[in-house]
Amino acid sequence: DAGVIQSPRHEVTEMGQEVTLRCKPISGHDYLFWYRQTMMRGLELLIYFNNNVPIDDSGMPEDRFSAKMPNASFSTLKIQPSEPRDSAVYFCASTGRRDEQYFGPGTRLTVT
Amino acid sequence: AQSVTQPDIHITVSEGASLELRCNYSYGATPYLFWYVQSPGQGLQLLLKYFSGDTLVQGIKGFEAEFKRSQSSFNLRKPSVHWSDAAEYFCAVAPIFGNEKLTFGTGTRLTIIP
Repeated sequence: DAGVIQSPRHEVTEMGQEVTLRCKPISGHDYLFWYRQTMMRGLELLIYFNNNVPIDDSGMPEDRFSAKMPNASFSTLKIQPSEPRDSAVYFCASTGRRDEQYFGPGTRLTVT
Repeated sequence: AQSVTQPDIHITVSEGASLELRCNYSYGATPYLFWYVQSPGQGLQLLLKYFSGDTLVQGIKGFEAEFKRSQSSFNLRKPSVHWSDAAEYFCAVAPIFGNEKLTFGTGTRLTIIP
């Protein structure tokens, strides 16, 4: 198995632009998580899905952030419009029930 | 609400020395417990996990952790560290019943000196 796949690995964009981060979970996993990691706030859970349905989005910082999971093999995290304070590493993780979470390599986002 | 405390932000040890990273949790019942490692520029990798049974858990890369219910602790240990162990280490908890959300500690950065 290729593990959790994230793209792009690096993204540099200007303030105000739309950013879309992508994630392909491990086949057969029915939970998908989006995290954000910064020096100041550490690792934060933004949102997670179960069977493609958003279960808890209480960690999404603002309405500028949105996430979708149109099918079991694909999810997106969108920021529109982006701001410099959104600069962070964004991780996607997936898991089957009662198992460990498997993390992707992350997307390093820089908003200038 | 559940929480995880890793009291040591940064630890420096000599190569070949023993290591113990501390983790304390706050939760109404015994949760599932995990240790993850993050190498620079990488995602998180699971080192070991505790669900039930033997309180001494063996993991990958020669790591082990001991669950102590009376102390609400799940400390990570390694008898002899290698330079490649330099990384950030995260303790995490998840409820046994309910959803799959992990709560992570703030991490401990491990530096290895020759």
